[in-house]
Amino acid sequence: SQKIEQNSEALNIQEGKTATLTCNYTNYSPAYLQWYRQDPGRGPVFLLLIRENEKEKRKERLKVTFDTTLKQSLFHITASQPADSATYLCALAVYSGAGSYQLTFGKGTKLSVIP
Amino acid sequence: DARVTQTPRHKVTEMGQEVTMRCQPILGHNTVFWYRQTMMQGLELLAYFRNRAPLDDSGMPKDRFSAEMPDATLATLKIQPSEPRDSAVYFCASGLVGENQPQHFGDGTRLSIL
Repeated sequence: SQKIEQNSEALNIQEGKTATLTCNYTNYSPAYLQWYRQDPGRGPVFLLLIRENEKEKRKERLKVTFDTTLKQSLFHITASQPADSATYLCALAVYSGAGSYQLTFGKGTKLSVIP
Repeated sequence: DARVTQTPRHKVTEMGQEVTMRCQPILGHNTVFWYRQTMMQGLELLAYFRNRAPLDDSGMPKDRFSAEMPDATLATLKIQPSEPRDSAVYFCASGLVGENQPQHFGDGTRLSIL
């Protein structure tokens, strides 16, 4: 059966350290993968996208890797700050026909950055 | 910044009542998605529209849920009759058709069915 697993429900790290979040999937062939941030009481907000033929993408303090052999994406936040505390969701995009792509989301990892 | 607007933000009602949730997508976006989020299941796709036409509603319980887009500025999700197991946060998202497009989410409707 198809599964998306994010490594842990919660992750606590010290301010200034690098946070690494994992997204593993089985029985999917995603065209691309996206990462979203969700704050309490708010909707998810898009952060980064990485295509199946890309190994790494960066945006400021964020870095995403995508290994289609391992079926895994890693999401890194360097020099983490308390303001980075949130739930982070990975989403796999699968082609659903007529030029459209459906996203299937993992359950998320709640990151807490401790001052 | 353009935003997806959802109303109401919170809804508490009794079992058996009709519930209507509304979404105003970002102007110019031609796809609209409805999701449901619970602690147990996470974020699940219920239905989506492209250019106001329903493309897939296989994630929705058809006997009680219905989704429509009466015009380009309004999408609705209705539950009739509602049941306690429908309690969840319902999100609407909009985007553009095509590869590599992000989805832009509203802040959801938190629904409690008593």
